[in-house]
Amino acid sequence: ETGVTQTPRHLVMGMTNKKSLKCEQHLGHNAMYWYKQSAKKPLELMFVYSLEERVENNSVPSRFSPECPNSSHLFLHLHTLQPEDSALYLCASSLSGQLGGELFFGEGSRLTVL
Amino acid sequence: QKEVEQNSGPLSVPEGAIASLNCTYSDRGSQSFFWYRQYSGKSPELIMSIYSNGDKEDGRFTAQLNKASQYVSLLIRDSQPSDSATYLCAVSPSGGSYIPTFGRGTSLIVHP
Repeated sequence: ETGVTQTPRHLVMGMTNKKSLKCEQHLGHNAMYWYKQSAKKPLELMFVYSLEERVENNSVPSRFSPECPNSSHLFLHLHTLQPEDSALYLCASSLSGQLGGELFFGEGSRLTVL
Repeated sequence: QKEVEQNSGPLSVPEGAIASLNCTYSDRGSQSFFWYRQYSGKSPELIMSIYSNGDKEDGRFTAQLNKASQYVSLLIRDSQPSDSATYLCAVSPSGGSYIPTFGRGTSLIVHP
């Protein structure tokens, strides 16, 4: 399997549930990202990991918890979410350094919070 | 705060015409510039990268960079209905950080 894969593609959860989004990249990249995309809004950077170390955390609420066990896998743990957290969550990977802006995105996980 | 500005559109062009998409950025020291295409309901896909002033051509796409004026543009020649999508401009800042800042995107509609 190649590229960046995300699971699940669709997720519906209640505000009291705990779930996790998974991302896996097969591109040999050393940086991984979580973005949030809401309707009519630009991409919002949530977290960045480079070489498994978190290098960016854009004031994201603590109900979102990232985990990067190795350079190929990235998780986003979700708990006690709010309806406004409903969005498309995109994982991306890249090389760090000058080529770091060349992001390769997964297909996204569409999250609905009831 | 580093900003990347795009006209949200929609930009509507007839099939076969040239579509011109523009982007301005605030960080004068930015080093790397990217265009992503996002079809409705899909994730963004990188279509062009440009790192130095001037033009870069790839098939029907040409990226143009003018660092002095702090703008980058994307031209799509012979536009096709399949080019209808949102085009996102992204800029990587100066200072060693590679993490790009995205604009809001411009919606392009190519009508037959």
